[in-house]
Amino acid sequence: GENVEQHPSTLSVQEGDSAVIKCTYSDSASNYFPWYKQELGKGPQLIIDIRSNVGEKKDQRIAVTLNKTAKHFSLHITETQPEDSAVYFCAASRYNTDKLIFGTGTRLQVFP
Amino acid sequence: DTEVTQTPKHLVMGMTNKKSLKCEQHMGHRAMYWYKQKAKKPPELMFVYSYEKLSINESVPSRFSPECPNSSLLNLHLHALQPEDSALYLCASSQSGTKNEKLFFGSGTQLSVL
Repeated sequence: GENVEQHPSTLSVQEGDSAVIKCTYSDSASNYFPWYKQELGKGPQLIIDIRSNVGEKKDQRIAVTLNKTAKHFSLHITETQPEDSAVYFCAASRYNTDKLIFGTGTRLQVFP
Repeated sequence: DTEVTQTPKHLVMGMTNKKSLKCEQHMGHRAMYWYKQKAKKPPELMFVYSYEKLSINESVPSRFSPECPNSSLLNLHLHALQPEDSALYLCASSQSGTKNEKLFFGSGTQLSVL
């Protein structure tokens, strides 16, 4: 079955710096890769997603890149702000299936 | 309305109690999910309902019993739980055609089993 590894487990950055979180997946048939942000006391919230037919997607300060050959995908946050502090989960799945496999999570702290 | 509402927010129960968790969404989504999340861990899928029919049961013990009374509501009935069942229980929904894509999660029910 699919396995998703996520690194680093914790990441501390200064406000205004960039943050990068990386994930590796095992199932070459996976073709959907979302990123979720979970703030304290809340459920995960989708922040960006990408399909395997696209190499990069950007939404304001957030971007995701996908390398299908290496089975890697990454989340890039530029100009970080304290409100970006949260736990971020990557995930992978095959299209139109019910099961999403989550990575282990990255706790991002942005210091003012 | 783009919210998934879960009640109660917190629940403490004994091992002999019977309780229910409730989830509601009014986005017209036809897929609804129960996830379990332990502290500092990712969510783990428990059940999936698609068009009000149970489509996935991830080998969850029978002390957890899901119910989908209609397309907007999802319940999780709890009976004879164990202390290790203490966790955050998350409900989510998505448009049926895209299954697990673009999940909307509720804020969860923090369950403590004594």
